[in-house]
Amino acid sequence: AQSVTQLGSHVSVSEGALVLLRCNYSSSVPPYLFWYVQYPNQGLQLLLKYTSAATLVKGINGFEAEFKKSETSFHLTKPSAHMSDAAEYFCAVSDSGNQFYFGTGTSLTVIP
Amino acid sequence: NAGVTQTPKFRILKIGQSMTLQCTQDMNHNYMYWYRQDPGMGLKLIYYSVGAGITDKGEVPNGYNVSRSTTEDFPLRLELAAPSQTSVYFCASSYPGYQETQYFGPGTRLLVL
Repeated sequence: AQSVTQLGSHVSVSEGALVLLRCNYSSSVPPYLFWYVQYPNQGLQLLLKYTSAATLVKGINGFEAEFKKSETSFHLTKPSAHMSDAAEYFCAVSDSGNQFYFGTGTSLTVIP
Repeated sequence: NAGVTQTPKFRILKIGQSMTLQCTQDMNHNYMYWYRQDPGMGLKLIYYSVGAGITDKGEVPNGYNVSRSTTEDFPLRLELAAPSQTSVYFCASSYPGYQETQYFGPGTRLLVL
């Protein structure tokens, strides 16, 4: 089975600062990787996904992530945090068995 | 286009009671999923379906049942509710393929006492 590890269950950044949320995966085959965002009392929404095309993936709201096979990582970044970025972020990996594996999530707080 | 809808939004059950969580999507997606979300645990896949009449177990299927008689609907059944099933349940759907984006419903919060 695949697995996903998100380092840091809580991350706080100042408004305007760099956002870096970490995700490492284990996969025996080339994976498909996703970042989802969850705002309070809502379902998850896709931020971006890697599907073996470009290793640098750009998503919505200024977020991007880089797939690094040698490091088995797919970290999420945003150059400048905005108050509206405060949410829970989930990294996920899928395999050919149609199963999806989510990380435990990182709660992002943006300090004004 | 409502996307993925779930009912009810919130429910309190007594131990041993049963209930069905409803999920409907209007995007003509073949694939549908049920997850549970527990604090600090992320989402765990309960069951999934790749089309009407076809379902399969995910990571944590025990205590749950599903059926898929139509493309649109994918209900989740709890037969004998237990406190361990207190959670937030999310339904999701997607086009075929494990590279596809999943679209999530707003969730059902279930409390078993």
